[in-house]
Amino acid sequence: GAGVSQTPSNKVTEKGKYVELRCDPISGHTALYWYRQSLGQGPEFLIYFQGTGAADDSGLPNDRFFAVRPEGSVSTLKIQRTERGDSAVYLCASSLRRETEAFFGQGTRLTVV
Amino acid sequence: QKEVEQDPGPLSVPEGAIVSLNCTYSNSAFQYFMWYRQYSRKGPELLMYTYSSGNKEDGRFTAQVDKSSKYISLFIRDSQPSDSATYLCAMSGGRDDKIIFGKGTRLHILP
Repeated sequence: GAGVSQTPSNKVTEKGKYVELRCDPISGHTALYWYRQSLGQGPEFLIYFQGTGAADDSGLPNDRFFAVRPEGSVSTLKIQRTERGDSAVYLCASSLRRETEAFFGQGTRLTVV
Repeated sequence: QKEVEQDPGPLSVPEGAIVSLNCTYSNSAFQYFMWYRQYSRKGPELLMYTYSSGNKEDGRFTAQVDKSSKYISLFIRDSQPSDSATYLCAMSGGRDDKIIFGKGTRLHILP
């Protein structure tokens, strides 16, 4: 399909390990968002890309979290030294430009044990 | 005070009833308002998207924005069991351009 694709759909990792989560946006969408959603909560903003650059990374909780989008398409969210509190669903969304409709992927469910 | 407030529910209504969901917000710079539907273990699905104040209708769904009261609503007519889901309001257009979500309202349509 032509929607936002996130891989893997599920990831279980041990505390202290490094993980990478991938997002393939809708073709041609310049804006890309990462959100984190805990059970019973709305999505919490992490970082927003316009093209290759991070326009707003104010939602990243600490320096263990980092995201890249080197060619303005695929993005990778990287989490170092994972902690149990990082367990959540990580959602990616893309839009044609900022302030237009954002379309979400199915998310990556991260479990840190 | 959180930027976007939304009653988490759950809200249970009989099939065929009109459902009213709403959110309030504090940031007067918000200009873009969205409603998403989220089924269990799925990503949010965009339902309605409106700019500034006014109404927008799409099939059984109507979105209303009242910027003077900082209040938005989603109405679902002729509700059906398949409408049972969590409904998230979202908004943007503030200085930072990020989209801010409410906590979501869990809706149950009873057959």
